[in-house]
Amino acid sequence: DTAVSQTPKYLVTQMGNDKSIKCEQNLGHDTMYWYKQDSKKFLKIMFSYNNKELIINETVPNRFSPKSPDKAHLNLHINSLELGDSAVYFCASSQQRAGGLFFGEGSRLTVL
Amino acid sequence: GEDVEQSLFLSVREGDSSVINCTYTDSSSTYLYWYKQEPGAGLQLLTYIFSNMDMKQDQRLTVLLNKKDKHLSLRIADTQTGDSAIYFCAETYSGGGADGLTFGKGTHLIIQP
Repeated sequence: DTAVSQTPKYLVTQMGNDKSIKCEQNLGHDTMYWYKQDSKKFLKIMFSYNNKELIINETVPNRFSPKSPDKAHLNLHINSLELGDSAVYFCASSQQRAGGLFFGEGSRLTVL
Repeated sequence: GEDVEQSLFLSVREGDSSVINCTYTDSSSTYLYWYKQEPGAGLQLLTYIFSNMDMKQDQRLTVLLNKKDKHLSLRIADTQTGDSAIYFCAETYSGGGADGLTFGKGTHLIIQP
C-alpha cells in the first residue's frame, strides 16, 4: 500500500520518442507535483496540480505536459525527447497545510 | 526568488554527531524541512519545523532554527552507517501547498568507520 507510486521505475528510450510516466497517490492529498532531479542531484519543481488545476509551470518546455485524470493521479507526458531530458523524475503529493511533500520512488529516464 | 544553500559534502566518523547546515533567503519562509535520500530511492521526510519555533527534537534528530540569521541545522546524534545519504533542506511559505517546496542542493553525508 505504497503512498505515492510511479511507473515505470526505469525508462530507456531514443531521442525523438514520446513517453509517459504515471503517478498515483492514495493519501487523499489535494495537490500533486512533478520534480526533476538532474545528475548532480539538484531538484527543481516542474508542475503542481491542485484539484485538477495547473498551479505552477516553472518555465518547463512545452514538450512536457502534465495530465491529471483525477485527484489521485498525475501523469507526465514528454514529446520529442532530447538528451537533456535524461534525469530522475519524482512525483509528490501534499495537503494544503504544513506537513511537507510525500515523494514517490522516482522514475529514471535515460534518453539515448 | 527563494534560494536555499547547503554545503555539498560532510564527512563524519561513525558514532560522532553530524551537523548539516542550511541557509535560506526568503524571510517569509514559514515552514522548513529536512529530507533524506538514500541511493536509488525517493526523498523521505525526516522532520520539519515552523518558523515560530527555535528547536525541535525527534529521537536522534535535533533541528535548530535561527530565524534572524535564516539558518537551519540538522544534528544527527550517534551517526550510523545507515545515515549515509543525501540530506536536503527545503522551505516554503505555504506549508507544502500548491507552491511546493524549494530545495537546497543537498548535503552528501559520508560516514567513516
